[in-house]
Amino acid sequence: NAGVMQNPRHLVRRRGQEARLRCSPMKGHSHVYWYRQLPEEGLKFMVYLQKENIIDESGMPKERFSAEFPKEGPSILRIQQVVRGDSAAYFCASSVSGANVLTFGAGSRLTVL
Amino acid sequence: TQLLEQSPQFLSIQEGENLTVYCNSSSVFSSLQWYRQEPGEGPVLLVTVVTGGEVKKLKRLTFQFGDARKDSSLHITAAQPGDTGLYLCAGALGTGNQFYFGTGTSLTVIP
Repeated sequence: NAGVMQNPRHLVRRRGQEARLRCSPMKGHSHVYWYRQLPEEGLKFMVYLQKENIIDESGMPKERFSAEFPKEGPSILRIQQVVRGDSAAYFCASSVSGANVLTFGAGSRLTVL
Repeated sequence: TQLLEQSPQFLSIQEGENLTVYCNSSSVFSSLQWYRQEPGEGPVLLVTVVTGGEVKKLKRLTFQFGDARKDSSLHITAAQPGDTGLYLCAGALGTGNQFYFGTGTSLTVIP
């Protein structure tokens, strides 16, 4: 029973490029959350999705950031025209519908040069 | 503004000492969780508390949820180097599924 799988684990992009981060939730989990973490800091909520629906995107920047969780395939967090300030660890977590337990992936570390 | 404030932010202690980490808010949470995160990894759930005044123990770790469900504490007895990590509290508001994370406490236990 694989846990939450995130890839890539490390991603390097130059300013202006696009970054795509993928998250496959645990089997049976239909809720996906994306969080961002800067070194030595807590996690900042970005977006919460269920299959094919964005439930809460109040933590997402209004521009350049988007997320999806299609009927088939992983959830994707997309950052367009990356800037150095986007450098961070991005964590995905999943949960069973209505549950109050999050299972986290190992994170994707984005570095923008 | 940060919904959940943790203190202290950094803590460095000798092996065998006791410590307490605090998680405070002005908001009332339907449930509160504690996670531990090691470098390069995602947070791992330690405990969930849902009832005001609830106390849960996990070996040398004791978790308490405040009576008003606005705050929580984590007490570690006889800390060991393996306890080193970032401790995060996270609260859920009402019936929502969004979890708000605290600012984190980075613990280092020196052998």
